[in-house]
Amino acid sequence: LAKTTQPISMDSYEGQEVNITCSHNNIATNDYITWYQQFPSQGPRFIIQGYKTKVTNEVASLFIPADRKSSTLSLPRVSLSDTAVYYCLVGGADGLTFGKGTHLIIQP
Amino acid sequence: DAGVIQSPRHEVTEMGQEVTLRCKPISGHNSLFWYRQTMMRGLELLIYFNNNVPIDDSGMPEDRFSAKMPNASFSTLKIQPSEPRDSAVYFCASSRFSGANTGELFFGEGSRLTVL
Repeated sequence: LAKTTQPISMDSYEGQEVNITCSHNNIATNDYITWYQQFPSQGPRFIIQGYKTKVTNEVASLFIPADRKSSTLSLPRVSLSDTAVYYCLVGGADGLTFGKGTHLIIQP
Repeated sequence: DAGVIQSPRHEVTEMGQEVTLRCKPISGHNSLFWYRQTMMRGLELLIYFNNNVPIDDSGMPEDRFSAKMPNASFSTLKIQPSEPRDSAVYFCASSRFSGANTGELFFGEGSRLTVL
């Protein structure tokens, strides 16, 4: 079971780019990397998923190096509303375990 | 689409009482997941179903917990008897996919349980 390690918390300011890195040294060949966002009193919400290199959608980008032992979620030009907990998940059927996540706080 | 629907949103009960939480997954989704979230332990996967069949219940804390999925549109998580340490937010999620990659999980708004 691939385990993930993320920073417990991060701070940034409105308009900045925020990068959250997740380590997953034991990632398996078939594992995908998925990021979720959770606001207080809500369920987690899917942000982005990738397998290798770079994936971009309207919300974020996901950078995955060639060895796939880590990944970086990039949030461009954050706003106050991006304050949330961000979770990195690795795997598939057995990789549905959420860690403690990264509590991102955006300040004015 | 209405999304994943959970009920009740909030429940307060006394120790020893039976608690039943309900979930309606998104129509057409093949997989359903029950999670529990607390400050101490974060989000824990309790059990998941694929095509109404329980696949992995290793996260179910003990025999007091049971989950069923009698059809593709309904699942229950039951705690009997309930204990104060069961107090948590219980989330249900569903996914179109199954197997090696579950793809995107869609979560409900959760059921906040308080056991006194």
